[in-house]
Amino acid sequence: GAVVSQHPSRVICKSGTSVKIECRSLDFQATTMFWYRQFPKKSLMLMATSNEGSKATYEQGVEKDKFLINHASLTLSTLTVTSAHPEDSSFYICSASQPRWGQQETQYFGPGTRLLVL
Amino acid sequence: GQSLEQPSEVTAVEGAIVQINCTYQTSGFYGLSWYQQHDGGAPTFLSYNALDGLEETGRFSSFLSRSDSYGYLLLQELQMKDSASYFCAVSRAAGFQKLVFGTGTRLLVSP
Repeated sequence: GAVVSQHPSRVICKSGTSVKIECRSLDFQATTMFWYRQFPKKSLMLMATSNEGSKATYEQGVEKDKFLINHASLTLSTLTVTSAHPEDSSFYICSASQPRWGQQETQYFGPGTRLLVL
Repeated sequence: GQSLEQPSEVTAVEGAIVQINCTYQTSGFYGLSWYQQHDGGAPTFLSYNALDGLEETGRFSSFLSRSDSYGYLLLQELQMKDSASYFCAVSRAAGFQKLVFGTGTRLLVSP
């Protein structure tokens, strides 16, 4: 099946610094990728939809200036957490959907990035 | 607002059948999908229903009733490795766009 990777898998940073997380679709082209945030033992919350070649669409309540999303190519989307604070500590997950002709569309998730801000 | 309710926890024994329900109330509905997530891991896509009825994929089946705003995931021949959290999610736009996830159900399978 299709594979989505994320890098890094885990990052610890100091408060006030910025952190970039990469999401790559390894063997398919994803015109749209999605970024989620998950707190421990909680559900996933959609943060934004990342469209290749255009601006991301953010969900209500998500600060677009804090969570910068760039979809530079059909296989790469990046999420940058700017001026990170301890409350930004979370599990960040990306996903991409793969429409397939004549078959059910399938969604693939990356392995997630655990961010800890000290 | 948007809400998807699931039981918080379900327990079963190996070899049994278990059903995880999901009732939803969302603005916009294009389909209901199900995901499995092991502790510390990423979600894995299991199934997607856009139309009413049953979708079967191996040991897992998913059902949708749009008129009742209800769906369920059926797991058969339970194995220990099925112990995980299961989430339903509503697509509020075509495909997997604008997903709203359910509260999640923790399944514990015992020997």
